Amino acid sequence: DAGVIQSPRHEVTEMGQEVTLRCKPISGHNSLFWYRQTMMRGLELLIYFNNNVPIDDSGMPEDRFSAKMPNASFSTLKIQPSEPRDSAVYFCASSLVASPETQYFGPGTRLLVL
Amino acid sequence: KQEVTQIPAALSVPEGENLVLNCSFTDSAIYNLQWFRQDPGKGLTSLLLIQSSQREQTSGRLNASLDKSSGRSTLYIAASQPGDSATYLCAVDQAGTALIFGKGTTLSVSS
Repeated sequence: DAGVIQSPRHEVTEMGQEVTLRCKPISGHNSLFWYRQTMMRGLELLIYFNNNVPIDDSGMPEDRFSAKMPNASFSTLKIQPSEPRDSAVYFCASSLVASPETQYFGPGTRLLVL
Repeated sequence: KQEVTQIPAALSVPEGENLVLNCSFTDSAIYNLQWFRQDPGKGLTSLLLIQSSQREQTSGRLNASLDKSSGRSTLYIAASQPGDSATYLCAVDQAGTALIFGKGTTLSVSS
């Protein structure tokens, strides 16, 4: 299995631009998680989906952030408009609903907003 | 609100030394606790998972313990090697869903 796939791996953009991060979970997994990692705050959960349905989005920092999961094999995290404080590494992870503790992480997207 | 703290934030040891990484959490009502490894520029890899009913788990040179009542876990690494250099993250699963992470301990093992 290819594991969790994230794209792009690196993104540099200017403040105010729209940013879209993409994730392909492991085939057969039905839970998907988006995390953000910064030096100051560590790794924080933004949102997670079970069977393509958002379950908990309390970690989404602002209305500028939105996430979708149109099908079992694809999810997006969008930031519009982006701000310098959004600079971080964004991780996607997937698991089985029955085993949420066994999460497999993607390599992350390193975002820099200038 | 659950908070997870890891001490120390960074640790440097010579090769061959045994070492202990610490993790504490404020709410003892957890489902399980995990230790992850993160290499620079990479994602996280799960090392050990301890269910709330367990006291410890072992994998090779790694041993993790859990004391739920005191809100503490330790990760013991025996005979450290340069390849162990990485950031080690502790995470608790409080609701059988998402994980709450500590900020990690960055370990450097010199040869």
